[in-house]
Amino acid sequence: EVQMLESGGGLVQPGGSLRLSCGASGFTFGSHAMSWVRQAPGKGLEWVSSISGSGGSTYYADSVKGRFTISRDNSKNTLHLQMNSLRAEDTAAYYCARCERGNTALAHLGYWGQGTLVSVSS
Amino acid sequence: EIVLTQSPATLSLSPGERATLSCRASQSISIFLAWYQQKPGQAPRLLIYDASTRATGIPARFSGSGSGTDFTLTISSLESEDFAVYYCQQRSDWPLTFGGGTKVEIK
Repeated sequence: EVQMLESGGGLVQPGGSLRLSCGASGFTFGSHAMSWVRQAPGKGLEWVSSISGSGGSTYYADSVKGRFTISRDNSKNTLHLQMNSLRAEDTAAYYCARCERGNTALAHLGYWGQGTLVSVSS
Repeated sequence: EIVLTQSPATLSLSPGERATLSCRASQSISIFLAWYQQKPGQAPRLLIYDASTRATGIPARFSGSGSGTDFTLTISSLESEDFAVYYCQQRSDWPLTFGGGTKVEIK
């Protein structure tokens, strides 16, 4: 069974940092690109970042470019999102999701974790 | 950026009725559109990809159609568990984008 479990969310002050992790199981992790998608309270879905299966290609939304860094450790079946210079507008539930076109990140998202909440407030 | 516009924002229907949801893209995206269902407190669930292919385990009452800029998700006969928010998403070009969502509520 495919499963993803996010961790690392919490309350942080504006300008602070957090590192989210997503542990995956039930599939060959390195064979799939992965993505982060967020959802602000009461709002819709917003794509944040994606990474190819090999980790060689990364993609970011303009809203987070230069502040967030996506990475993966295929030996540990883990996806990360390093979030720096956090702003109030980054407050959201953050979901990791598996891309369904193999190594290619430009894809639909077939499996999602349950999300981890990030709150940016003073 | 490819903008996806979903309509209506809210659809009020009774169980057993047919639901028709629309997603319009700001430029042609071929068939590279997916639909997701999200219930309160839950992660989104993939329903349809490549405009008309049902994901694994999705009931046949869910169907998708369209190409280019206009797409439709149809639920042929609403079950109680289908009342939720539905999002479309394109994979034609970066950035990946989602529509604003359609809430299907019980009338």
